[in-house]
Amino acid sequence: DTAVSQTPKYLVTQMGNDKSIKCEQNLGHDTMYWYKQDSKKFLKIMFSYNNKELIINETVPNRFSPKSPDKAHLNLHINSLELGDSAVYFCASSPLLAGVVMNEQFFGPGTRLTVL
Amino acid sequence: GNSVTQMEGPVTLSEEAFLTINCTYTATGYPSLFWYVQYPGEGLQLLLKATKADDKGSNKGFEATYRKETTSFHLEKGSVQVSDSAVYFCALGSQQGGSYIPTFGRGTSLIVHP
Repeated sequence: DTAVSQTPKYLVTQMGNDKSIKCEQNLGHDTMYWYKQDSKKFLKIMFSYNNKELIINETVPNRFSPKSPDKAHLNLHINSLELGDSAVYFCASSPLLAGVVMNEQFFGPGTRLTVL
Repeated sequence: GNSVTQMEGPVTLSEEAFLTINCTYTATGYPSLFWYVQYPGEGLQLLLKATKADDKGSNKGFEATYRKETTSFHLEKGSVQVSDSAVYFCALGSQQGGSYIPTFGRGTSLIVHP
C-alpha cells in the first residue's frame, strides 16, 4: 500500500548511457514532481507536472525529460548521462484543494543514481 | 522569487536537550509553510505545517509557529531523542501566476547523542 513508489532504488551506469527512473503514486493526486538531491542534501526541484501543465526548472539540462503515461505516473528519462548527474532523485506528489495546489508533498523513497 | 533560509548544520545535541532550528522566508502573497524530516536512507516526510499567520503546527513533540511579522517558522522541540537524528527541511508553497511553486531550504542536519 505504498503511496509513492520509485524504481529502481539504486542505479549504477556508465557515462553516456540513457536511463529512466519510474514513479507511481496511488494517492489520486493531480500534481507530481521530480527533485534532485546532491551529496550535501540540497534539494532542487526539476519539474512539476499535472495533466494540464509542465513546469520546468530552467536550470535543468534538456537531457532530462519527464514522461507521464497517465495521471498516476511520472517517469524521468535521462539522456547521455554525465558524472555530475550522480545524486538521489526523488519523486513527489501533491493533491489539489479547490483547484489550488497548496498542500504538502508526499515523497517517494528515492533513487540513488551513480554514474561511472 | 521565493526563498527559504535555514540555519546551517549540523546541530549536535545531547538527549533531552531543547532544540531550535531557525527558518526565515521570502515570498509574495500568502504562502503555506512546512517542515519536512528526512531520516537516513529515506525520502522526505511531512512533519508539520501551517497555512496562515499565527497558526501553530505540531507533531511528535515538534512545534512551529507561522510568524508573518518576522517572516519566520522556527522549529522547536522541548526534549530531543536519539531517534530524532535526521535532516530537517523548511519549505513553503505558494501560487505564482496560476502555478504552484514549492521552495525548500537547504536542510539542517540534527545529530542527537545519548
